[in-house]
Amino acid sequence: GENVEQHPSTLSVQEGDSAVIKCTYSDSASNYFPWYKQELGKGPQLIIDIRSNVGEKKDQRIAVTLNKTAKHFSLHITETQPEDSAVYFCAAWGRPRGSQGNLIFGKGTKLSVKP
Amino acid sequence: DAGVIQSPRHEVTEMGQEVTLRCKPISGHDYLFWYRQTMMRGLELLIYFNNNVPIDDSGMPEDRFSAKMPNASFSTLKIQPSEPRDSAVYFCASKQRGGAGELFFGEGSRLTVL
Repeated sequence: GENVEQHPSTLSVQEGDSAVIKCTYSDSASNYFPWYKQELGKGPQLIIDIRSNVGEKKDQRIAVTLNKTAKHFSLHITETQPEDSAVYFCAAWGRPRGSQGNLIFGKGTKLSVKP
Repeated sequence: DAGVIQSPRHEVTEMGQEVTLRCKPISGHDYLFWYRQTMMRGLELLIYFNNNVPIDDSGMPEDRFSAKMPNASFSTLKIQPSEPRDSAVYFCASKQRGGAGELFFGEGSRLTVL
């Protein structure tokens, strides 16, 4: 089945700098890769996603890149702001055990943006 | 829509007691998921339903855990008897249709078993 590895587990940057979080996946059949942001005391919320037919997607200050050959994808946040501080999860859509498929999450990255 | 609604937000109970967590998905969403979040294991899928029918419960840890979805607007996750290792944040999420797509999460139920 699918396995998603996420690095780093913690990341601290200065306000205005860029932040990059990287994930790898194991199942070459996975075709959907979302990123979720979880603020303290809240549930995860989708911030951007990418499907396997594109290599990059951008939405204002955030972008995601996908390398299907290497089976890795990354989240890039530019011009970071204190409100970007949160835990970020990557995920891959897999089909474990012949099921209809579901999201397999990475372990998360705690991003701290220092003013 | 108010989003996915979970209750209670916090529950503190003693080992051996029964715990029931509740979830109201977004109206019109056909899929409902229960996740457990811990520091050690991250976000784990416990079970999910499609049109009120359990599809995959292979993530349910053991027989002490059970989940039901009696109608399209309500689901419960029950732990009986509870143990300290069940302490975690339990999330409910819903999705509009099958296949890959956005999950909408509730704010979670933080369970502490003493």
